[in-house]
Amino acid sequence: VRLVESGGALVKPGESLRLSCEVFGFPFATAWLSWVRLAPGKGLEWVGRSKSKNDGGGMDYAAPVKDRFTISRDDSRNTMFLQMNSLKTEDTGVYYCTTDPLWTGGDFWGQGTLVTVSS
Amino acid sequence: DVVMTQSPPSLPVTLGQPASISCRSSQSLVSSDGNTYLNWFQQRPGRSPRRLIYKVSNRDSGVPDRFSGSGSGTDFTLKISSVEAEDVGFYYCMQGTHWPPYTFGPGTKVSIK
Repeated sequence: VRLVESGGALVKPGESLRLSCEVFGFPFATAWLSWVRLAPGKGLEWVGRSKSKNDGGGMDYAAPVKDRFTISRDDSRNTMFLQMNSLKTEDTGVYYCTTDPLWTGGDFWGQGTLVTVSS
Repeated sequence: DVVMTQSPPSLPVTLGQPASISCRSSQSLVSSDGNTYLNWFQQRPGRSPRRLIYKVSNRDSGVPDRFSGSGSGTDFTLKISSVEAEDVGFYYCMQGTHWPPYTFGPGTKVSIK
């Protein structure tokens, strides 16, 4: 099982960025997946979650990113996306995709992708 | 949102000695389904996080048995029975009972004396 994030970059405040998380060797269509970030000098922060279509396919977000970030998924490509709009300096950090923290079938994380928001 | 607190913030430990990290939640983590969704995560330097413990006391596959979790309600503990050099890093508790959001504790930094 591998999760591979991509799309991290240096952007200016107010700009947008889209991260991808491709999943290999795992039943993507039935998986709940989350985004978790680690800001410099801070701790882990849950960003949002995507439920499988079997379970309603809904998305949930943390308050600091709600209305700015959107999670989507393409089951045909085994890929989850994180569209980040109106980026702020406090969004800087390493973004990880992971299997849902409550899933008891295993724990899998990507290598992380760095997002830097700076003028 | 449920607030998670951890103590101590920093924990220097002698190799081979035990270590214990405390985690408290601002409200009970017992879910309506009877489960308690309290996890522990480890992040070693330069590595992605990994889950060590789920639902208070269940070790994930591949996690050494020197790691154990216990607790109930609002008070939880992660214990390392005999610290090894590879255990250096940050440890976080996380609640998943009252979602969204999942909330992490602020972390405990484990180092070797």
